[in-house]
Amino acid sequence: AQSVTQLDSQVPVFEEAPVELRCNYSSSVSVYLFWYVQYPNQGLQLLLKYLSGSTLVKGINGFEAEFNKSQTSFHLRKPSVHISDTAEYFCAVIPGDSSYKLIFGSGTRLLVRP
Amino acid sequence: KAGVTQTPRYLIKTRGQQVTLSCSPISGHRSVSWYQQTPGQGLQFLFEYFSETQRNKGNFPGRFSGRQFSNSRSEMNVSTLELGDSALYLCASSLEPQSSYEQYFGPGTRLTVT
Repeated sequence: AQSVTQLDSQVPVFEEAPVELRCNYSSSVSVYLFWYVQYPNQGLQLLLKYLSGSTLVKGINGFEAEFNKSQTSFHLRKPSVHISDTAEYFCAVIPGDSSYKLIFGSGTRLLVRP
Repeated sequence: KAGVTQTPRYLIKTRGQQVTLSCSPISGHRSVSWYQQTPGQGLQFLFEYFSETQRNKGNFPGRFSGRQFSNSRSEMNVSTLELGDSALYLCASSLEPQSSYEQYFGPGTRLTVT
């Protein structure tokens, strides 16, 4: 079965420092990959997605992610974080079938300190 | 354009009762999916509806059911509530065709079962 692993449950970082949130997925077939962010008491907001094409994907709020098929990874990066980036980040996949079923990782809490 | 709306936002129920949650998708969106979010299990897919038909179902007991109306609004119902059903229930809508696979989430309904 398809699964998504987010290796870090929490990542503390200082403001203006770079950050990388790691995501690995298990699949032998094509998948569609996503990163979502959840602020306290809110729903999920799409940061970026990879469907096909260029392996480097740019999203909102200065985030980007790189799809690596050989390592089955889709790590999220930001060169300089802000206090307002403090939130829970979820990596997710849609298996290469005809559904919209998102399979989520366990989430990584990004804590940006001043 | 208005986002996905979910009502009610908060709900407290007693074990054994039943509950109905409502979701209104973004105008023009015809696919609606439901997810359960708990601290222990994370984000889990419940079901997906498209054009009033259930297209996909997650691994939840039959106490969890849903439906979609002709205007794409969706409801989910949980009967015989258990303490473990306490969760944030998120609804997401999508625009067909599947070329984008983007899902837009509502703020969720927080259900507390006592």
